[in-house]
Amino acid sequence: AQTVTQSQPEMSVQEAETVTLSCTYDTSESDYYLFWYKQPPSRQMILVIRQEAYKQQNATENRFSVNFQKAAKSFSLKISDSQLGDAAMYFCAIDEGGGADGLTFGKGTHLIIQP
Amino acid sequence: KAGVTQTPRYLIKTRGQQVTLSCSPISGHRSVSWYQQTPGQGLQFLFEYFSETQRNKGNFPGRFSGRQFSNSRSEMNVSTLELGDSALYLCASSSGSGSAVYNEQFFGPGTRLTVL
Repeated sequence: AQTVTQSQPEMSVQEAETVTLSCTYDTSESDYYLFWYKQPPSRQMILVIRQEAYKQQNATENRFSVNFQKAAKSFSLKISDSQLGDAAMYFCAIDEGGGADGLTFGKGTHLIIQP
Repeated sequence: KAGVTQTPRYLIKTRGQQVTLSCSPISGHRSVSWYQQTPGQGLQFLFEYFSETQRNKGNFPGRFSGRQFSNSRSEMNVSTLELGDSALYLCASSSGSGSAVYNEQFFGPGTRLTVL
């Protein structure tokens, strides 16, 4: 069974600075998808970025980028130019089954943005 | 296009009662997944429905059940509620077409269930 580990329960960063959130995972599959979701206080889960395991190129979405190390089973999220609106819980997740098997989430990292 | 809607948003029940939560997926989406979120266990997959059939189920007791209707709306039911069932229940919809393109899951706002 797949597992996802987020070793940082909480991170704090100054506004406009860069922060990296860590995630490691375990899977026996060679093809899978990795995600970072953001959950603000409103509790609505929002997809931040997605990475397909067969793609070597790291995904990027505006200020958000990932460092995907397949051999190391590592998938970190870098947030550049942090903004107050980035404050939220961030969850790393893996999907091996194309959606039917459900996402497996990490425990989350609480990101605090200091003004 | 309207997003995923869940009703009710908040619910308070007492131990032993049963509860039904509803999820309306994005128009055109045929797959609905349910997740339980608690401070202790985090986010856990409950089950997934596609075209009225349960395709997969997480590791939850039989008190947790669900169904999907022909219009893709889904309900989940929890019988004989326990204090530990207090959680945020999230549903997510996707097209679920099974094509080579990944079917992104879109989450609803959740239903906060409190069991007293």
